[in-house]
Formats: sequence, structure tokens, C-alpha cells
Amino acid sequence: KNQVEQSPQSLIILEGKNCTLQCNYTVSPFSNLRWYKQDTGRGPVSLTIMTFSENTKSNGRYTATLDADTKQSSLHITASQLSDSASYICVVSAPGAGSYQLTFGKGTKLSVIP
Amino acid sequence: GAGVSQSPSNKVTEKGKDVELRCDPISGHTALYWYRQRLGQGLEFLIYFQGNSAPDKSGLPSDRFSAERTGESVSTLTIQRTQQEDSAVYLCASSLQGARSYNEQFFGPGTRLTVL
Repeated sequence: KNQVEQSPQSLIILEGKNCTLQCNYTVSPFSNLRWYKQDTGRGPVSLTIMTFSENTKSNGRYTATLDADTKQSSLHITASQLSDSASYICVVSAPGAGSYQLTFGKGTKLSVIP
Repeated sequence: GAGVSQSPSNKVTEKGKDVELRCDPISGHTALYWYRQRLGQGLEFLIYFQGNSAPDKSGLPSDRFSAERTGESVSTLTIQRTQQEDSAVYLCASSLQGARSYNEQFFGPGTRLTVL
């Protein structure tokens, strides 16, 4: 069964600090990997999307990396802000006709405190 | 509106009652998806609509769940004879073309369903 595992489950950091969230997946074959941010009471919002041939992608203070060989991805947040407090979800898709069926991780809940 | 909208935002119902959840996708988006998000769990795929093609209902957990979509616009998710395990946030998403996995899915705010 295709799985996406995220760690840590939750994380508390001080405002201004950096942090890195991890994602391991077993989806194979693999098409692309996305990171979403989900604020409390809101739907997920896409941060980055990477195909298997990409190693890194940035979106402002968010930088995602991908190692397709080891099936690992990370999301690095630089100079965290209070508004970064949210759940961060790793999502993987397979290629082909059923590629719209995404496999979601459970998310890492990040709390940024003053 | 500019984004995906869902209604109601919250729904509390009694066990055994039927509920209907509504989703308005982004105008022009041909693909529409329903997901379920249980507390502490990842999103679960429920159903996918793409244009006038037959929907992919493979994710619906039981025959109590059904969904319809009118053309390329509004969709409703119906849960009959609700059970307590149906309590979850139901999220709707839309995208320009569902068959290409890299097409970004835009999510609505969700409907939080509580079955007492």
C-alpha cells in the first residue's frame, strides 16, 4: 500500500528560528511530490510541487528538497513567523490515468511562538 | 468568488439522519474532488468528477455515501443514515484538468461534520 510518513508529528519553535520537516514515501512509481500548508479551519494550500527530476524548489522562506532515490523529502522553513503556525502536509502522486488520486501524509503540526 | 467555497461550514446532526454538503468549485475548473479528513489522519480520497465523464467513486467508504455534480459546477455530497464514525471534515477541491497529476488542486475551507 502506498504510504506517506511525516515527522515529527508536531513541533514547537521560537519565532525567527529555522526548522525542517521530513517526509518519507513508498509510492512507486512516483510522479510528483507536493507540500501543502493547512491553517486551522482552512483547506490545504499548495507551497511547492516537485517532479521526480527536481531536487529542490523554493517558495519564499519555504524550500523543499527531494531525493527520489531514497524516497525522502524535506521542507525547510527559514526565519519562521507566527503566521507559519499550521499543519504541513506532504502529498505524493503516481503517474498515469489515476494520478489524480493523491496520497496524503498525516501532516506535521508546527507551532511558532513569540 | 475566487476560490472554492463549501457550505455549511459546520454541521451537527443526530445519528441516523441524512446530511447534504455542498461545494462550489472555481469557475472553469473541470475536475472536482471530495476528501474526508478525520482527526489526526491524512486526507482520504472519496470521489472525483472530470467533466462529463463517469465519476471515480472508488474512495466512497460505503453505499451510504453518494455525490452528484451538475455539469462543471456545483457538487453535493450526501451521507445517508449518518454514523458517529462519519464525523470528520469534508474537503472539496477543484483543478483545471484532473487527469494530469501536476495540476494543482485548490481546496475549499471544508465542512466540519459532527454526528452525535
